[in-house]
Amino acid sequence: KQEVTQIPAALSVPEGENLVLNCSFTDSAIYNLQWFRQDPGKGLTSLLLIQSSQREQTSGRLNASLDKSSGRSTLYIAASQPGDSATYLCAVLNYGQNFVFGPGTRLSVLP
Amino acid sequence: GAGVSQSPRYKVAKRGQDVALRCDPISGHVSLFWYQQALGQGPEFLTYFQNEAQLDKSGLPSDRFFAERPEGSVSTLKIQRTQQEDSAVYLCASSTGLTGSGANVLTFGAGSRLTVL
Repeated sequence: KQEVTQIPAALSVPEGENLVLNCSFTDSAIYNLQWFRQDPGKGLTSLLLIQSSQREQTSGRLNASLDKSSGRSTLYIAASQPGDSATYLCAVLNYGQNFVFGPGTRLSVLP
Repeated sequence: GAGVSQSPRYKVAKRGQDVALRCDPISGHVSLFWYQQALGQGPEFLTYFQNEAQLDKSGLPSDRFFAERPEGSVSTLKIQRTQQEDSAVYLCASSTGLTGSGANVLTFGAGSRLTVL
């Protein structure tokens, strides 16, 4: 059974810092990995999707990498801003067509 | 529609009542997923449809939970005889369902928050 973990569970940083969020998964038989953002009381917003054949994806200040063989992905946020404060979740799409989510990392960026 | 629409946004039910939660996916999206998200946790898979076919219902926690998508578009998640442990946010998501390509961007609705008293 696929299991997804995320480290750290929570993170608080001053504005302007670069930071890395980590995601690990136990079964490398995946189609893709997606990073989401969730604001309190809201649904999930897709940030980046990395196909299983890709190594990384970039969007603005966000960069996500994927090492499928080791079961790891990282989300790099450059020059963090208070508006980045949210919970960040990673999810893998299994060959069984089921997305499995990690528990999330709660990020607070302090002005 | 432009996005995934869920209703109601908030539902309060007395223990033992039946509830129905509706999901209207993005037009043309083949795949539809239901997730349950408890406070402070990541979403947990409930069930998955491809068009009108329910291909995976392994995540439904009990036989009180039932989902349908009769015409391959709108889906309803029904919970019978609600219990307090059913209190959670129920999220619906849809995707193009281009299986095999790996390019499945999952688009979520805002969720339906169920509180069982």
